[in-house]
Amino acid sequence: EAGVAQSPRYKIIEKRQSVAFWCNPISGHATLYWYQQILGQGPKLLIQFQNNGVVDDSQLPKDRFSAERLKGVDSTLKIQPAKLEDSAVYLCASSRGLAGNTGELFFGEGSRLTVL
Amino acid sequence: ILNVEQSPQSLHVQEGDSTNFTCSFPSSNFYALHWYRWETAKSPEALFVMTLNGDEKKKGRISATLNTKEGYSYLYIKGSQPEDSATYLCALGTALIFGKGTTLSVSS
Repeated sequence: EAGVAQSPRYKIIEKRQSVAFWCNPISGHATLYWYQQILGQGPKLLIQFQNNGVVDDSQLPKDRFSAERLKGVDSTLKIQPAKLEDSAVYLCASSRGLAGNTGELFFGEGSRLTVL
Repeated sequence: ILNVEQSPQSLHVQEGDSTNFTCSFPSSNFYALHWYRWETAKSPEALFVMTLNGDEKKKGRISATLNTKEGYSYLYIKGSQPEDSATYLCALGTALIFGKGTTLSVSS
């Protein structure tokens, strides 16, 4: 089966600009996650969707970050306006089960963002 | 927010050496523990999902144990190979809170 697809792989922008990342999870996976991984730290959950509903967005900086999963399939994560501290790898992951299931996550290769 | 600690932060071993890492977590309200391997320029890949106290799982030369009562899990690699070089992440909870990882470098 095809894996989790993410694009773009790399993006360089200047602060105050906007950027959007796209994720297509594995077909049939109900739950989708966006993580932010800053160099030297572990991945931090930004938002978790179950189908097209938000399960957890408690760590999403809502003044500048937004995410949606229309139709419960692919998802976009947007940052507007970007700050220097947003430089990170943005990982998308999906899992077969519903939110709270113990099943493993399948990750994409990530989108590396550099904010100058 | 759940606090997940991993140690050591990094280590360097020679090919053929065996090694182990630790993941520590609060022992109360345990749900599930995941181990992932993340090689440079690739996707993080699941190694194990562990749910029961005393669980032991093995995949080739890599194995893991879980002690939920004392709040730790060990990941062991027997006879390290250069291809084992990666960052090893553990994660807990329903939404997977990750530790900072242990970065392993294996020299031939």
